[in-house]
Amino acid sequence: SQTIHQWPATLVQPVGSPLSLECTVEGTSNPNLYWYRQAAGRGLQLLFYSVGIGQISSEVPQNLSASRPQDRQFILSSKKLLLSDSSFYLCAWSPWVAVTSTDTQYFGPGTRLTVL
Amino acid sequence: DAKTTQPNSMESNEEEPVHLPCNHSTISGTDYIHWYRQLPSQGPEYVIHGLTSNVNNRMASLAIAEDRKSSTLILHRATLRDAAVYYCILRGSLSYNQGGKLIFGQGTELSVKP
Repeated sequence: SQTIHQWPATLVQPVGSPLSLECTVEGTSNPNLYWYRQAAGRGLQLLFYSVGIGQISSEVPQNLSASRPQDRQFILSSKKLLLSDSSFYLCAWSPWVAVTSTDTQYFGPGTRLTVL
Repeated sequence: DAKTTQPNSMESNEEEPVHLPCNHSTISGTDYIHWYRQLPSQGPEYVIHGLTSNVNNRMASLAIAEDRKSSTLILHRATLRDAAVYYCILRGSLSYNQGGKLIFGQGTELSVKP
């Protein structure tokens, strides 16, 4: 069966410090990968998605970046954190699908980031 | 992706059925209707999806209006563990480079009273 891992679970960082959040998926190959974030309250915001190694699409311009160095590894980074980056960050995966299909996304447990 | 409209919150009593509505008047012919839910402090989880016909699975049922401009997620017997935010999302059919992204709205916060 497939499993998605995220770490760390919680993180407290000072303003201006760098960030690296990691997400890995087990039990599947060539998944689509996604980074979302959720500020206090509801509503997830899609940040990045990737359909393959080295292929990153950005949805929202900001001081965050994403990389996919391996097939089942997705990393969210920042060179300098802002107070507004405090949020709940979620990684998700979905099976790679052929044209004209639909699929389900599976979410990780999330990382709660507080920037002070 | 077309927009969906859901009530901000709903209440239910334990062991009673719950009908969560969703309006999507601008849905296109190829949009699938997906439902996810998010329990407190967890990531969202898939509940059900459909295109035109009503769908049932072990978690819930999805009733889709004939004109597809609205749908209803049905929890047949609400439990305390069903208290969550429920999201109704429209998804178009995928092509290779689209990645199948989900656009989340604000959802409906369901509270279940014992």
